[in-house]
Amino acid sequence: DAGVTQSPTHLIKTRGQQVTLRCSPKSGHDTVSWYQQALGQGPQFIFQYYEEEERQRGNFPDRFSGHQFPNYSSELNVNALLLGDSALYLCASIRDRNTEAFFGQGTRLTVV
Amino acid sequence: RKEVEQDPGPFNVPEGATVAFNCTYSNSASQSFFWYRQDCRKEPKLLMSVYSSGNEDGRFTAQLNRASQYISLLIRDSKLSDSATYLCVVPSRGYALNFGKGTSLLVTP
Repeated sequence: DAGVTQSPTHLIKTRGQQVTLRCSPKSGHDTVSWYQQALGQGPQFIFQYYEEEERQRGNFPDRFSGHQFPNYSSELNVNALLLGDSALYLCASIRDRNTEAFFGQGTRLTVV
Repeated sequence: RKEVEQDPGPFNVPEGATVAFNCTYSNSASQSFFWYRQDCRKEPKLLMSVYSSGNEDGRFTAQLNRASQYISLLIRDSKLSDSATYLCVVPSRGYALNFGKGTSLLVTP
């Protein structure tokens, strides 16, 4: 049973560029959430996708957008990258609300 | 008040010691609570779920006090391999999980 998989694992981008991160949820899970974890902080909720729609959004600017595909996989897009966007981006999938979330290994994004 | 607050640590304890972490939360409607473990530069992994007053799994015990909106995690007989950051997680009123900043534990020989 494959867990949550994310790609790429590491990425270096220049300020102002755009980036796309990808996530495949755990088998049997149809809900995907994205989190940003800055160094020394807990993960912060970006948004959640369910049935190919953004169901809830955290306190992140419109530069952060996403998509969910019919096979439940998801993408996170960040436009006009800032140095402050450097973080570990985690994808999590769940089966039902308020149950445990399973995380991918994350994508470590460095903006220079 | 932040949604989830934890002791930041770091906690430095010798092998075999008992250590407890505290967590307070603001969403009084939460019915489930989680402790996740995160190793350096890795993804968080579920350690324990708490749906009632508490849960025990081997050396790990989680206790919930709904009246005080307080969760604790107790680790007995600490091992070197317990060194990690422990994240307290409380579901929001929506669909998000609210994480504390994490408590860092270092178990020394």
